[in-house]
Amino acid sequence: KQEVTQIPAALSVPEGENLVLNCSFTDSAIYNLQWFRQDPGKGLTSLLLIQSSQREQTSGRLNASLDKSSGRSTLYIAASQPGDSATYLCAVGGFQKLVFGTGTRLLVSP
Amino acid sequence: DTEVTQTPKHLVMGMTNKKSLKCEQHMGHRAMYWYKQKAKKPPELMFVYSYEKLSINESVPSRFSPECPNSSLLNLHLHALQPEDSALYLCASSQPGLNEKLFFGSGTQLSVL
Repeated sequence: KQEVTQIPAALSVPEGENLVLNCSFTDSAIYNLQWFRQDPGKGLTSLLLIQSSQREQTSGRLNASLDKSSGRSTLYIAASQPGDSATYLCAVGGFQKLVFGTGTRLLVSP
Repeated sequence: DTEVTQTPKHLVMGMTNKKSLKCEQHMGHRAMYWYKQKAKKPPELMFVYSYEKLSINESVPSRFSPECPNSSLLNLHLHALQPEDSALYLCASSQPGLNEKLFFGSGTQLSVL
C-alpha cells in the first residue's frame, strides 16, 4: 500500500526566504507526482505535475523535482510571499488514483 | 471555464435525513471524482467515474451512493449518515489518462448531528 509522508508538518518563515518542502513515498511504481496547495476550508489547486519519466517541472517561483528511485520529491518556493501561506500537499498518481501526503502547513510572515 | 462547482457549500443533516451533494464542470472532462477530507488530514478517494461509468469504489459504505447522470454532473446521495461522516467532501474532474491534472471544487462542509 502506497504511503506518502511530508516533512516538515509545519513551517514558518519571514517573507522573501527561499524554502523547500519534502515529500517521500514508499512505492516507486507511480505514473506521476502532483503538488497542490489548499487554503483553509477550501478545495485544492494544482500547482505542478511531474510525469514519472521527468525529473522536474517549473512554474514561476515554484520548482518541483522527482527522484522516483529514491521515492522522493521536493517543492522549492523562491522568494516566498505572505500569499504563499497555505497547506501544500503532494500526491502520488496511480491509474485514476491519487494518494495524498500528510501536508505541510506554511506560514509566511510579512 | 476551469471551474468545478459544488453545492451546497455547507450542509447540516441529522442521522435520519436524506440529502445530496452536487458537482458540475464544463471543461469537457470525462473523469470525475469524490474525495473525503477530515480536518487536518489529507483527502481520501471515495469514487471515480470514467466516461460516466463507476470505475473505482474504495470500499465506501453503502450510505454513500454516487451518481453520474451525464458527463458534466456528479452527485453524491447521502442517507443514514453517522456523526463520524462529518467532513469536507471534495469533487474533482480531469481528462481520463495517466498524467492529467485534477481540478478540484471548493467542497461541501458536511456536519452530521
